[in-house]
Amino acid sequence: GENVEQHPSTLSVQEGDSAVIKCTYSDSASNYFPWYKQELGKRPQLIIDIRSNVGEKKDQRIAVTLNKTAKHFSLHITETQPEDSAVYFCAASDGSGNTGKLIFGQGTTLQVKP
Amino acid sequence: DADVTQTPRNRITKTGKRIMLECSQTKGHDRMYWYRQDPGLGLRLIYYSFDVKDINKGEISDGYSVSRQAQAKFSLSLESAIPNQTALYFCATSGQVPYTQYFGPGTRLTVL
Repeated sequence: GENVEQHPSTLSVQEGDSAVIKCTYSDSASNYFPWYKQELGKRPQLIIDIRSNVGEKKDQRIAVTLNKTAKHFSLHITETQPEDSAVYFCAASDGSGNTGKLIFGQGTTLQVKP
Repeated sequence: DADVTQTPRNRITKTGKRIMLECSQTKGHDRMYWYRQDPGLGLRLIYYSFDVKDINKGEISDGYSVSRQAQAKFSLSLESAIPNQTALYFCATSGQVPYTQYFGPGTRLTVL
């Protein structure tokens, strides 16, 4: 079945450094790739998303890149701050029709050290 | 996101008990989803529904059932709870393309 692999599982950076999280997906028909941030004890919240007709999207300090040929996409956070510490999930849409289903990666725990 | 609510927020129950988790939304979305979250495993889909008459199994539906009572309400039931169903459960909703999903606050369920 469809699969999304996410790496690394944990990431520790110094405040001000950049952080990169990478995901690969298996379903070549996937066309929507959201990223969610989950703070401790909270619900996952959408932080940025990208559709397959776009190669890169930016929103202030965060950006997502998509390589459809290689079937991978990445989240880039620049100038990290302690409040960026959270679990980040990537997801890819189910390509088998308009189900709206998302296949999630396993998550990356980001720690930003002050 | 107060538009998606879940009750209860926390529940402790015993093996063999029946339990129902409820989800309500005021977003007007047709699609609703139930996930469970376990450490290191991400979010796994249990059931999803396109509308009141259309309910589908996800990747881990065994041991669970659902009911879509109205467009705004989607309930998850554990008919006979077992300890390995201890997890954090999330409800989510989505509207039209690209079907961005919005999550409820979650229910932490412990089965003793």
